[in-house]
Amino acid sequence: SYVLTQPPSVSVAPGQTARITCGGNNIGSKSVHWYQQKPGQAPVVVVYDDSDRPSGIPERFSGSNSGNTATLTISRVEAGDEADYYCHVRDSSSDNVVFGGGTKLTVL
Amino acid sequence: QVQLVQSGAEVKNPGASVKVSCKASGYTFTSYYIHWVRQAPGQGLEWMGIINPTGGRTRYAQKFQDRVTMTRDTSTSTVYMELSSLRSEDTAVYYCARSLGDSGHFDYWGQGTLVTVSS
Repeated sequence: SYVLTQPPSVSVAPGQTARITCGGNNIGSKSVHWYQQKPGQAPVVVVYDDSDRPSGIPERFSGSNSGNTATLTISRVEAGDEADYYCHVRDSSSDNVVFGGGTKLTVL
Repeated sequence: QVQLVQSGAEVKNPGASVKVSCKASGYTFTSYYIHWVRQAPGQGLEWMGIINPTGGRTRYAQKFQDRVTMTRDTSTSTVYMELSSLRSEDTAVYYCARSLGDSGHFDYWGQGTLVTVSS
């Protein structure tokens, strides 16, 4: 089955740039979606189809995808960005949805 | 506005079944697929399966293949997820979420339903 690998944690100071990676075999050929989840809340999509941003999501959130790594980039990080982030793809071989293990973003 | 409203928390004994509902409103029910995703305490997201509200066709993750049943009632715009033979490891928050197309992103999620399995 297809596996997505995320770092368990990323720490960044306010105002700096956070980069959260999602590794998978030839993930560049798939559409990657990213979700933000704060404690006690349902996930919210922040980037979809690699790099598109839903309405209402700040421009500070961006995404890229190439080769074996997709990346969620959060510029000018704020305290309110502290959350868990998950990547999501559809595995075409199994027709299943796959989530990465999640990354906890800590704002120092 | 689009809403997915789930049924309330459940406490079940091991070996029992649970049925969670997800009522959709604010959009054309048959235009979006509904997925079920669960999250055990302190753990990540786990996809369970998908239902197409138009014809009721389902696709389940292999892990749940023999224990999960997803159905829909188009008259009430409600989707149901039933999980049988519950064990303690099934204790989790269960979410429904919708996608446009079965491979799309999940743009709206339900509020989650906590299912606790304990004797």
